[in-house]
Amino acid sequence: SQQGEEDPQALSIQEGENATMNCSYKTSINNLQWYRQNSGRGLVHLILIRSNEREKHSGRLRVTLDTSKKSSSLLITASRAADTASYFCATEKGTQGAQKLVFGQGTRLTINP
Amino acid sequence: DTEVTQTPKHLVMGMTNKKSLKCEQHMGHRAMYWYKQKAKKPPELMFVYSYEKLSINESVPSRFSPECPNSSLLNLHLHALQPEDSALYLCASSQDPGWRKAFFGQGTRLTVV
Repeated sequence: SQQGEEDPQALSIQEGENATMNCSYKTSINNLQWYRQNSGRGLVHLILIRSNEREKHSGRLRVTLDTSKKSSSLLITASRAADTASYFCATEKGTQGAQKLVFGQGTRLTINP
Repeated sequence: DTEVTQTPKHLVMGMTNKKSLKCEQHMGHRAMYWYKQKAKKPPELMFVYSYEKLSINESVPSRFSPECPNSSLLNLHLHALQPEDSALYLCASSQDPGWRKAFFGQGTRLTVV
């Protein structure tokens, strides 16, 4: 089963609006990552937030982490058509030397011109 | 060079065929991974190689056989696949098995007929 669960599963907004995606997880984490995937292509790493961080920014991206609620959110401000993609949160599972990256179900974001 | 290169991009094979997927990176990464992704689903981990040794096999059927000839190359040998094995196969690498940031290839779209 996937560690992360995202909502909404799909989101459609107008260009220029902000998009917010949420991710919940079940076990304690060292860090949480967000990836983007354009249709049928590879995943691109967007941002990593450590368990002792509450908020992180990268360009138009803002990620928050609430370890007490076991949840994270990804905010994309001033959205553009090129932001249309699927967005996945990912967490590490496993022991030292045998970690694996487990992805949430993802949010399909559509930016309408 | 921050790329993970996968070949071929598309592959159609019969259920009695033997084929191989290839993955290459020249970033000096010591961990490499195979993921399988079905349509509208998150990537699912198949195998992890750490320092050229297989460290994780997620109970993948033996018709999938991974190989890591050296630290830059990762192969996935396919034999006697089933139509339900049709999917996007993604290769990824990271600097070490600690999963700080993973780089993904563009994937091989496999169709089994």
